[in-house]
Amino acid sequence: SQQGEEDPQALSIQEGENATMNCSYKTSINNLQWYRQNSGRGLVHLILIRSNEREKHSGRLRVTLDTSKKSSSLLITASRAADTASYFCATDANGFQKLVFGTGTRLLVSP
Amino acid sequence: NAGVMQNPRHLVRRRGQEARLRCSPMKGHSHVYWYRQLPEEGLKFMVYLQKENIIDESGMPKERFSAEFPKEGPSILRIQQVVRGDSAAYFCASSPSRQGAKYLLNTEAFFGQGTRLTVV
Repeated sequence: SQQGEEDPQALSIQEGENATMNCSYKTSINNLQWYRQNSGRGLVHLILIRSNEREKHSGRLRVTLDTSKKSSSLLITASRAADTASYFCATDANGFQKLVFGTGTRLLVSP
Repeated sequence: NAGVMQNPRHLVRRRGQEARLRCSPMKGHSHVYWYRQLPEEGLKFMVYLQKENIIDESGMPKERFSAEFPKEGPSILRIQQVVRGDSAAYFCASSPSRQGAKYLLNTEAFFGQGTRLTVV
């Protein structure tokens, strides 16, 4: 069964704007990860946030985690056309040794 | 250090044929995961293997699908008697081995570029 659900399913913005994507999950986790997938390509790991962390930054990326609400958000600041991709959250649902992915948010950044 | 290597990148099979997908993990990684991605969907876990062991195959269809990770050589995902519904992108990921039951997911998993299977 699907662990994560991303929201929105699709997001279209202009270059320079910020993009926020949300992920909700169902079970307890040890950590949550965000991945990017360019069209027709593999997944690129963006950031991992552990269950005892609330916020993490990496360059233009900011991830928050609220374990009480079982949700996470990914913020991309000052977006660029090259950020156009699908973004997935993934969790280790109940600590099992596999990643369970959400359905993804398709981000389109227009020049 | 080469990343996770999958081949072929694209595979076309007729219905009823066999498809064999290969995955070579990153150097030093002994844990391999296979995922399937249908068009416009997220990745669905299929199987988790260590060298010569299947650890978790809860996502594998019960029939026609099998996976192995021999002591030597790449991991193989085999699909027998393919049907059109098997058309998808199949991704492999690897992670390093550590002690402990939950070590794997304290670090990122590295994904290959995927094999896109088309059944005609």
